[in-house]
Amino acid sequence: QQQVKQSPQSLIVQKGGISIINCAYENTAFDYFPWYQQFPGKGPALLIAIRPDVSEKKEGRFTISFNKSAKQFSLHIMDSQPGDSATYFCAASTGGGFKTIFGAGTRLFVKA
Amino acid sequence: GAVVSQHPSWVICKSGTSVKIECRSLDFQATTMFWYRQFPKKSLMLMATSNEGSKATYEQGVEKDKFLINHASLTLSTLTVTSAHPEDSSFYICSARDLGRGREAFFGQGTRLTVV
Repeated sequence: QQQVKQSPQSLIVQKGGISIINCAYENTAFDYFPWYQQFPGKGPALLIAIRPDVSEKKEGRFTISFNKSAKQFSLHIMDSQPGDSATYFCAASTGGGFKTIFGAGTRLFVKA
Repeated sequence: GAVVSQHPSWVICKSGTSVKIECRSLDFQATTMFWYRQFPKKSLMLMATSNEGSKATYEQGVEKDKFLINHASLTLSTLTVTSAHPEDSSFYICSARDLGRGREAFFGQGTRLTVV
């Protein structure tokens, strides 16, 4: 499967801090980049998504920054809260089959 | 948002038996559904893409005879793990797309399969 590389593997942030997760891709056919949040024993839930014609998208405390030339994108979680503690996956899909390829995941722990 | 429901949430079966997992789109029609497998603390690995009324497309390395996928209607896809073995124990997750809602894929809550 085409890869989406995600880092860091795990992240510890103080409450109120900013959590930053980075992803990179190779396949230029990808044209949709969602971020998912997953709690233990649950399916992933969409947080926010972006298309490559936009450099930034913000929804509440979550912001995606997208660098098309570098083929990189990142998730910023502002004012991180203990309830944000979960595993976050970046992903990418193409307009053809629409199948979604996931990054390796980042386990975020927000300290109270 | 659109709701995707998986059943059962967890199942324990004996080695050598088969088990069926259902994935339903409750409030939309899903022409395409996807099946993923997730090992503990690992990412989701796409197993296959299922289109309503046609054969599923399996990813490289996924045994189509072991993981039977049927997408008989616009709201139901099933994954049958045949002749299950302990190494098939995993978390299986389905997702579905609603063409009317753009590119977003909606995920089920997952099914924990344990083969003993």
